[in-house]
Amino acid sequence: AQSVTQLDSQVPVFEEAPVELRCNYSSSVSVYLFWYVQYPNQGLQLLLKYLSGSTLVKGINGFEAEFNKSQTSFHLRKPSVHISDTAEYFCAVSGGGYQKVTFGIGTKLQVIP
Amino acid sequence: ETGVTQTPRHLVMGMTNKKSLKCEQHLGHNAMYWYKQSAKKPLELMFVYSLEERVENNSVPSRFSPECPNSSHLFLHLHTLQPEDSALYLCASSLQGKGEGEKLFFGSGTQLSVL
Repeated sequence: AQSVTQLDSQVPVFEEAPVELRCNYSSSVSVYLFWYVQYPNQGLQLLLKYLSGSTLVKGINGFEAEFNKSQTSFHLRKPSVHISDTAEYFCAVSGGGYQKVTFGIGTKLQVIP
Repeated sequence: ETGVTQTPRHLVMGMTNKKSLKCEQHLGHNAMYWYKQSAKKPLELMFVYSLEERVENNSVPSRFSPECPNSSHLFLHLHTLQPEDSALYLCASSLQGKGEGEKLFFGSGTQLSVL
């Protein structure tokens, strides 16, 4: 079994400030980890993914995430946010196979001008 | 443009109506999915179609009926829905067996309201 916990349902942050969105997971097998972003009135879009190799993963729009196996975390970070980053962010874990993708509940990032 | 197109974008239906949601992917993928997105809940996987098999979530009521005539098209047939079925229904596709760890490509969704 696998699960994803996103501890923060909403994160307000001022424009140009750094942000971290937290994600913890549990799984009994090796995992693939993802962050997806959903802008208003749109579907989800892949932001970045960790499959193997370097634990620091860089994605689109200046986001990055670090895989920490000992802490079972995959936190998403951006050093300076922009208004256009206002969206909902979903962490997901997959143990392989289509039926094993599990999503977190989502974190709404609100960038304040 | 993500390569996955869903129609209609919005749908309002009564509990006695029959309607269908349509999804089309132009990415050459071999798997397609229906997800349900409700407020304050994780995305719920409803159905999966791949070349090999169909996977059905046991908790999906029979008033939802999927159809996958080919690898590019996916339908979700709806009948006698309940108000609690109101949600955003997302279609997704992926390329299985290529070591991508199930990277999903989503459509923009159909916002369904059941009156």
